[in-house]
Amino acid sequence: DSGVTQTPKHLITATGQRVTLRCSPRSGDLSVYWYQQSLDQGLQFLIQYYNGEERAKGNILERFSAQQFPDLHSELNLSSLELGDSALYFCASSVGTSGPDTQYFGPGTRLTVL
Amino acid sequence: GENVEQHPSTLSVQEGDSAVIKCTYSDSASNYFPWYKQELGKRPQLIIDIRSNVGEKKDQRIAVTLNKTAKHFSLHITETQPEDSAVYFCAAPNRHGQNFVFGPGTRLSVLP
Repeated sequence: DSGVTQTPKHLITATGQRVTLRCSPRSGDLSVYWYQQSLDQGLQFLIQYYNGEERAKGNILERFSAQQFPDLHSELNLSSLELGDSALYFCASSVGTSGPDTQYFGPGTRLTVL
Repeated sequence: GENVEQHPSTLSVQEGDSAVIKCTYSDSASNYFPWYKQELGKRPQLIIDIRSNVGEKKDQRIAVTLNKTAKHFSLHITETQPEDSAVYFCAAPNRHGQNFVFGPGTRLSVLP
């Protein structure tokens, strides 16, 4: 158990819908990262937050957005869902004070868009 | 970081043999290189990491070597066991040094 939690574990929805994925980082970690992993693919970095502010953006679609709240939990919002959005979505956290540091991954949310 | 290549993409070894996975990176300023193991449907888990001030690090059957001049680092697993079967990802810092670029992964199969 990495100490990072994600809810829900599974999510099944229809095209055009909107969903919210939630992540709670390890105690003491200030940085949260979101990744998308499609079937048999690698980890695609979406976005990073540090202490409530956006720090880095990767290949995140305009239909997707995220935020980090004062209690440091983070939410990833996916809207106007398409079939191709079906994937595992991982959240990771790190201390994140400066430079690259060890990221600990949550168990992931498996999103299925029908 | 920025561009991380990983080879091979798939690797099959007999139980008890060694496995080696190699990654190359492009940013010479990169200074921290973790390796993650991901079993089917599960989270990536950190198995070993190395910082640029050392050339090798070992943890039981797992070792990582770093060649800063050539900009590559390798994961070595000795005496492989069936439970080592998984996808292994390397990572290197991106050019901003704030987060990681992951390699595409290597699917390791250890045959009994």
